[in-house]
Amino acid sequence: GAVVSQHPSRVICKSGTSVKIECRSLDFQATTMFWYRQFPKKSLMLMATSNEGSKATYEQGVEKDKFLINHASLTLSTLTVTSAHPEDSSFYICSAQGPGQNTEAFFGQGTRLTVV
Amino acid sequence: DQQVKQNSPSLSVQEGRISILNCDYTNSMFDYFLWYKKYPAEGPTFLISISSIKDKNEDGRFTVFLNKSAKHLSLHIVPSQPGDSAVYFCAASVQGGSEKLVFGKGTKLTVNP
Repeated sequence: GAVVSQHPSRVICKSGTSVKIECRSLDFQATTMFWYRQFPKKSLMLMATSNEGSKATYEQGVEKDKFLINHASLTLSTLTVTSAHPEDSSFYICSAQGPGQNTEAFFGQGTRLTVV
Repeated sequence: DQQVKQNSPSLSVQEGRISILNCDYTNSMFDYFLWYKKYPAEGPTFLISISSIKDKNEDGRFTVFLNKSAKHLSLHIVPSQPGDSAVYFCAASVQGGSEKLVFGKGTKLTVNP
């Protein structure tokens, strides 16, 4: 099956700094990528949907200026957490999907962000 | 090494019948399990979860069963409706869901009218 690689798997950063998380589709063209945040004992929260070459669509309550999403190519999307705060500590997971209506979505391995 | 496996890539059932989606896992440390549903062109959405202290959790037409000794869980949908046609992902986590989720590859369910 298709592979989605998410990097880094773990990152620790200081408050006020920015962190970039990459999501790559290794063997297919990901026209759509979804970014999720996972809270303990809770389901995934969809943060934004990005289509290659266009601006991401953010879910209500997600700060666009804080969570910058770039989907510049068909194989790479990035999520940058700007001016990170300890409350941003969480798991962030990407999901990538190819073109067409009935294509599967594949998940990245997730990134554990810890802000100290 | 795939820790969460959904061995059936697809399943087709008749409307009104029961749909049973299966999921197996290998990591005995997993203690929290979730099912997600995904429609085409949309991201996955949460459906139902179960903690390892239970063997069954029910929410309307959806019931998840957990067999810890067999490292197996299943999602039952009764009765199945055409609107249930989607891809269903099984996911697992350790430490009661506080660690990252590990996903299966999904099963595509088609409910025929």
